[in-house]
Amino acid sequence: SAVISQKPSRDICQRGTSLTIQCQVDSQVTMMFWYRQQPGQSLTLIATANQGSEATYESGFVIDKFPISRPNLTFSTLTVSNMSPEDSSIYLCSVDGGYNEQFFGPGTRLTVL
Amino acid sequence: AQSVTQLDSQVPVFEEAPVELRCNYSSSVSVYLFWYVQYPNQGLQLLLKYLSGSTLVESINGFEAEFNKSQTSFHLRKPSVHISDTAEYFCAVSVGNYGGSQGNLIFGKGTKLSVKP
Repeated sequence: SAVISQKPSRDICQRGTSLTIQCQVDSQVTMMFWYRQQPGQSLTLIATANQGSEATYESGFVIDKFPISRPNLTFSTLTVSNMSPEDSSIYLCSVDGGYNEQFFGPGTRLTVL
Repeated sequence: AQSVTQLDSQVPVFEEAPVELRCNYSSSVSVYLFWYVQYPNQGLQLLLKYLSGSTLVESINGFEAEFNKSQTSFHLRKPSVHISDTAEYFCAVSVGNYGGSQGNLIFGKGTKLSVKP
């Protein structure tokens, strides 16, 4: 199984600012995913990030708001841009573990004031 | 489009009591089904999955789930819970060629299981 870490674990930010969340995996993986979990809601896939190509965004999510980098096979970042209180959520990264399984990071709890 | 419904947002039970966490899904095609568990301040962990074959699947810590195609359900059960089972449980479905390995997991809203002594 893969071990995934995320930084920061939590943050409180002001409206209009941006926050970059880091996701580090202890092994090389092809596919990484970013999810959002809004309060009281289920997890929603934001985008899929493959190394060497642009991220693929799900309906309702755009690159200008959630730019993603994937510089190598063990690391990815998600930026939440021009934040508003509606962006307050838990953001999780996951990786394709093969055999029909995804491994998830511990999440980043974001509060926007 | 696929969707997942977890009817119970919170389930309080006493230690050693049985528990059932309900999950229903809707899909017009065949699906793969998953239960994930999230312990406090930790990431999601795969608890068990149904891909094909036997409709009853088990986890290493005593949970089991049964795929019922006619009722489009995948309820999670444990005959006797422990305090350490306190966590949030998420049901998920996928219709990808490789189950959840292509990012197309659709999650329910989660059920918080609280086991009391």
